[in-house]
Amino acid sequence: AQKVTQAQTEISVVEKEDVTLDCVYETRDTTYYLFWYKQPPSGELVFLIRRNSFDEQNEISGRYSWNFQKSTSSFNFTITASQVVDSAVYFCALYPGRRALTFGSGTRLQVQP
Amino acid sequence: DSGVTQTPKHLITATGQRVTLRCSPRSGDLSVYWYQQSLDQGLQFLIQYYNGEERAKGNILERFSAQQFPDLHSELNLSSLELGDSALYFCASSVSGFGNTEAFFGQGTRLTVV
Repeated sequence: AQKVTQAQTEISVVEKEDVTLDCVYETRDTTYYLFWYKQPPSGELVFLIRRNSFDEQNEISGRYSWNFQKSTSSFNFTITASQVVDSAVYFCALYPGRRALTFGSGTRLQVQP
Repeated sequence: DSGVTQTPKHLITATGQRVTLRCSPRSGDLSVYWYQQSLDQGLQFLIQYYNGEERAKGNILERFSAQQFPDLHSELNLSSLELGDSALYFCASSVSGFGNTEAFFGQGTRLTVV
C-alpha cells in the first residue's frame, strides 16, 4: 500500500524565516515519483516539483529547495526567506507508477508579516 | 494557468439532486483523473480515464460515475447528493500516467449540498 505522511499539520513563521515541510512516504515499488503541490487560499493546486526515485539529487528553484533521501523515505521541502505569499497548504504526493497520486494530508503554512 | 479547465467553478444544490461536473484536459493529454477534497478525508482519488476507457478506480461511491468522451473531455456525475458530498472536486490530466510528466490540476469545482 502507498502512504504519504505529513506530520506537521500547521506551521507558523515570521517573514524571512526559513521553513522546512516534512514528507515521509511508504511504497513497495522500486520506481516511483514524488510531487509537491501548493494550494493557496484561492483553492487551486499548483504543481511545484516532480522527482523520480532514481534521482536523489537535491533540487533548488529560487527560494525553494527539496531534499530527497531514499534511505529515510523522505522528500522534504524548504522555503528560504519565507514571504507572506508563501502562505498556503502544501501537499506531498506519491505516484507508484500506476493508479494515481496518493496525497499526504497537507501542511498549512502561515507566514506572518 | 494549468491548461486544465473545470466547469462550473461553484455549484450549490439540494440533497437528493444530481449534478455534472465537467473537465477539459490539457491539449495532448489522454488521461483524466478526478479527485475529491473534503475537510475530513483530504484529497481522495476517485477515478481515472485514459483515452475514453476507465483505467483505475479509487474511493468512488456507487452514486458517482464518470466518463471520458471522444474529444477527451470528462464528466463526473454525482447523484442522490448528500450533505457529505460537499467538497472541492478536482480534475487532473496527463499524457498517460503521472510518472512521465508533471501532473496539472484544474481550478476545481466547489460543490455545496444544502
